[in-house]
Amino acid sequence: GENVEQHPSTLSVQEGDSAVIKCTYSDSASNYFPWYKQELGKRPQLIIDIRSNVGEKKDQRIAVTLNKTAKHFSLHITETQPEDSAVYFCAARFQYSGTSYDKVIFGPGTSLSVIP
Amino acid sequence: KAGVTQTPRYLIKTRGQQVTLSCSPISGHRSVSWYQQTPGQGLQFLFEYFSETQRNKGNFPGRFSGRQFSNSRSEMNVSTLELGDSALYLCASSLEGGGRNNQPQHFGDGTRLSIL
Repeated sequence: GENVEQHPSTLSVQEGDSAVIKCTYSDSASNYFPWYKQELGKRPQLIIDIRSNVGEKKDQRIAVTLNKTAKHFSLHITETQPEDSAVYFCAARFQYSGTSYDKVIFGPGTSLSVIP
Repeated sequence: KAGVTQTPRYLIKTRGQQVTLSCSPISGHRSVSWYQQTPGQGLQFLFEYFSETQRNKGNFPGRFSGRQFSNSRSEMNVSTLELGDSALYLCASSLEGGGRNNQPQHFGDGTRLSIL
């Protein structure tokens, strides 16, 4: 079945350093890959997403890269700040042509700690 | 626009009882998806509703059910509650649903359900 793996499960970086979170997905039918940030006790918030026809997307200090051949995508956060500390979830949309099967599956999450 | 609203925020029940959770999507959004979030399992997809019809379903027992009304508001019901049902239940709305047409999902704050 469809699956999204995410690594690492925990990540600690010094303030100002970069953080990279990697995800792999199981099925080449995926074409949409959002990333969510969830602070403690709060709702998941969409921070960036990428479509399958794009290899990279950047928004200020956040960037996402996609390698469809290898079926993996990554989140890059540069110049990390303490407020970046949160759990980050990657996700992939699985859709099968000709069917109504269409769902977004989430990775298990990465707990990022930015140390001042 | 108002965000996704979930009620109640907290709920305490005992084993064997049933519970109904409510979700009001962002105005204009027609799709509502429900997720169960637990520390060990991350975000697990329960089901998705679109135009009052369940369009997709995750791997949860029949005790978990839902419905959607003509105004797109959705309810989720869990019958015969078990200890393992303790979790944060999140709903997410989007224009089309499941990442369809690459529309992002927006989450509510969730209902934290505790089973005693």
